[in-house]
Amino acid sequence: DVKVTQSSRYLVKRTGEKVFLECVQDMDHENMFWYRQDPGLGLRLIYFSYDVKMKEKGDIPEGYSVSREKKERFSLILESASTNQTSMYLCASSWGRNTEAFFGQGTRLTVV
Amino acid sequence: GENVEQHPSTLSVQEGDSAVIKCTYSDSASNYFPWYKQELGKRPQLIIDIRSNVGEKKDQRIAVTLNKTAKHFSLHITETQPEDSAVYFCAASGLSGGSYIPTFGRGTSLIVHP
Repeated sequence: DVKVTQSSRYLVKRTGEKVFLECVQDMDHENMFWYRQDPGLGLRLIYFSYDVKMKEKGDIPEGYSVSREKKERFSLILESASTNQTSMYLCASSWGRNTEAFFGQGTRLTVV
Repeated sequence: GENVEQHPSTLSVQEGDSAVIKCTYSDSASNYFPWYKQELGKRPQLIIDIRSNVGEKKDQRIAVTLNKTAKHFSLHITETQPEDSAVYFCAASGLSGGSYIPTFGRGTSLIVHP
């Protein structure tokens, strides 16, 4: 089974902190994604990566950056956390174009 | 870019009834249409998908239909059971440029009453 693991299930951070969300997949997938999930808004793409050290902006990249130094790991960085970044964050990976996306269990981030 | 609209946002049915969720997409280059189910507190998981070279696909009580001309696709669940209660997301993606990145609908919360 493909496993996509996010480092934290729940996280509480203070406004202005730098926050790192980590995601690791164990199936040698090319593509990795970070989504934000908010009620009524569905899954919105923040960033994606199709190869090591490659990254592309999604629909809502403002306030976020990413890092992919190794194929299996994709990190989401909140440079200076704000309360409007309180949300559920989902990492996903897929092996190629137009293939099934496998999701992590999600990180519920609360910024206070 | 691609835009996916999903309706309804909430669907309440009695156990044993059928449920239909509809999605429309904007990019005619899209050719892959997956559906994901997210149970409460769990991660989204693929339940069925369809590619543009077919019009319908079935898997037991679940079916998906695709109308490429009208740019819409639908999820059909027959003989619903309480364990079908979840949020369902449709998505669309293509092969050109960055369009292979799936764009998701906003989700439908399906509630099946025993």
